[in-house]
Amino acid sequence: QQQVKQSPQSLIVQKGGISIINCAYENTAFDYFPWYQQFPGKGPALLIAIRPDVSEKKEGRFTISFNKSAKQFSLHIMDSQPGDSATYFCAATHERGDNNNDMRFGAGTRLTVKP
Amino acid sequence: EAGVAQSPRYKIIEKRQSVAFWCNPISGHATLYWYQQILGQGPKLLIQFQNNGVVDDSQLPKDRFSAERLKGVDSTLKIQPAKLEDSAVYLCASSLAGVTDTQYFGPGTRLTVL
Repeated sequence: QQQVKQSPQSLIVQKGGISIINCAYENTAFDYFPWYQQFPGKGPALLIAIRPDVSEKKEGRFTISFNKSAKQFSLHIMDSQPGDSATYFCAATHERGDNNNDMRFGAGTRLTVKP
Repeated sequence: EAGVAQSPRYKIIEKRQSVAFWCNPISGHATLYWYQQILGQGPKLLIQFQNNGVVDDSQLPKDRFSAERLKGVDSTLKIQPAKLEDSAVYLCASSLAGVTDTQYFGPGTRLTVL
């Protein structure tokens, strides 16, 4: 089942610092890599996503870096804020003609940003 | 835009009892998903519906879990009988259509099996 490995399990960063979360996948058929943010008591919410035809995607303070040959991708949160404190999940899936969702999630990283 | 609604938010039952969860997806979303999220783990897909048909239920423990989506809108997930290892948060999500369309998650139902 576990086809996406995520690290670290938890991360503490000072306000204004850079948070980095890493993921590695096994299935080379994966071609869509989203990141989700989850606050306590809430469902996950899509943060940013990337396809393997680009090596980097940036949206505001959030950047995904993608290394296809290494089968790794990472989330960078620049200028981390206390409001970013949440659990972050990476995921991977692939489009198939039958529209099946084979979304595999990492185990999650609990980020704490200290003021 | 109203989000994905789920009820109940919390449920505590004894093992071997049955339980049902309800989900109302975002209006117009053809695809509905049920996930199981065990504490400390990422969500695991249980079943995916496209309109009112099942697209993928390969990870659904069919001996005890069942799900249906009535008229392609609301959905229920049932566990009968429940086991201790079923304690988890059950998340419902919906998307417009395909697998790479944004999935919008509900708040989940936290199930505790004693």
